[in-house]
Amino acid sequence: DTEVTQTPKHLVMGMTNKKSLKCEQHMGHRAMYWYKQKAKKPPELMFVYSYEKLSINESVPSRFSPECPNSSLLNLHLHALQPEDSALYLCASSPGQGGQPQHFGDGTRLSIL
Amino acid sequence: QKEVEQDPGPLSVPEGAIVSLNCTYSNSAFQYFMWYRQYSRKGPELLMYTYSSGNKEDGRFTAQVDKSSKYISLFIRDSQPSDSATYLCAMNPIQGGAQKLVFGQGTRLTINP
Repeated sequence: DTEVTQTPKHLVMGMTNKKSLKCEQHMGHRAMYWYKQKAKKPPELMFVYSYEKLSINESVPSRFSPECPNSSLLNLHLHALQPEDSALYLCASSPGQGGQPQHFGDGTRLSIL
Repeated sequence: QKEVEQDPGPLSVPEGAIVSLNCTYSNSAFQYFMWYRQYSRKGPELLMYTYSSGNKEDGRFTAQVDKSSKYISLFIRDSQPSDSATYLCAMNPIQGGAQKLVFGQGTRLTINP
């Protein structure tokens, strides 16, 4: 079991639905990340929160909306997604100091109908 | 040219063989180097994390970094079928705060019994 917990594990939604992905860590890490991973590709960074503030947005479409309620929790709100948004969405965390490795959850497998 | 180059394979070897996985990089700012293992339908799992040039050993795994050649390697001794997975190299610079990881493409490895 990983120390970064993501829910739900699987999600199927229509293009008009609104849903949220959740991520939780209890390692005391102060940086949290959202990645998108397509099949046979490496993870692609979407957002970075550092000390609960959004520090990096990799030009992600506004239909993806991140939220960091506190240092242990990270949400990704989804609305009006497209079929090409179907992917594995990974959450990661790191201590927050430069260069420290990131620890990943097992992801949410998202399918858009 | 990609910042990090990694042969995607696939690589297939018999059980018990020594496996060598490699990445090259072009950005001399990279100072932290990681190897992740990703099983199908799971998130990346941190295997090895190194900062300085040289070797770091953990059980059957050895990570090697040559900053002068901008080349990193992961060696797996006495390979087991359970080592069958995709191996991702990743790296980031030393500056403070949460950092964007730059991944290689990943190498798909199969260990045949």
